[in-house]
Amino acid sequence: GAGVSQSPSNKVTEKGKDVELRCDPISGHTALYWYRQRLGQGLEFLIYFQGNSAPDKSGLPSDRFSAERTGESVSTLTIQRTQQEDSAVYLCASSLARGVRSPLHFGNGTRLTVT
Amino acid sequence: ILNVEQSPQSLHVQEGDSTNFTCSFPSSNFYALHWYRWETAKSPEALFVMTLNGDEKKKGRISATLNTKEGYSYLYIKGSQPEDSATYLCAYFPLYNQGGKLIFGQGTELSVKP
Repeated sequence: GAGVSQSPSNKVTEKGKDVELRCDPISGHTALYWYRQRLGQGLEFLIYFQGNSAPDKSGLPSDRFSAERTGESVSTLTIQRTQQEDSAVYLCASSLARGVRSPLHFGNGTRLTVT
Repeated sequence: ILNVEQSPQSLHVQEGDSTNFTCSFPSSNFYALHWYRWETAKSPEALFVMTLNGDEKKKGRISATLNTKEGYSYLYIKGSQPEDSATYLCAYFPLYNQGGKLIFGQGTELSVKP
């Protein structure tokens, strides 16, 4: 079956521009996560959705970052006025339920480069 | 601050060697531990989800153990093959967790030479 799909796979943008990253989770997965990995660092939690509500936004680095999810489907992560420190691989993952016993299924990521 | 530590940071072994690495996490607030394998140019893939103290899981040549009282998990690879080369990530799910946040370690990068 189809896995988690992310688009675009690569994005190069100029500092100060807005970018939108998209995630299509596996059908039926109620939980959706955004993580990012900056160069040389580990996976950093950004936000978690259960259905279309976000009970945990604690990882969003600043108010330039926002995310939404439509029902139990597509999610978009928007970064406004991008900065060079936003350069990272942004990973989306989905799971059947809140991630205690359910493994996360990851997409291939969006590599964002801010010049 | 909830820290998940993995060691070693990187490991180079010969084909056929058996190897193991460690994930340490806070023992006082444990709910679940996940292991993932992340190969270059691919997405992270789940290996194990472990919840009970003393849990042992196995998948082919890879196995994992869990000690929640002392806050560590070991991942073992028996007879390493070049295709095992990847970064192995553990992720900790705390008991009192407002959302579904899995906290990842930095990973152990394994390189298996033929």
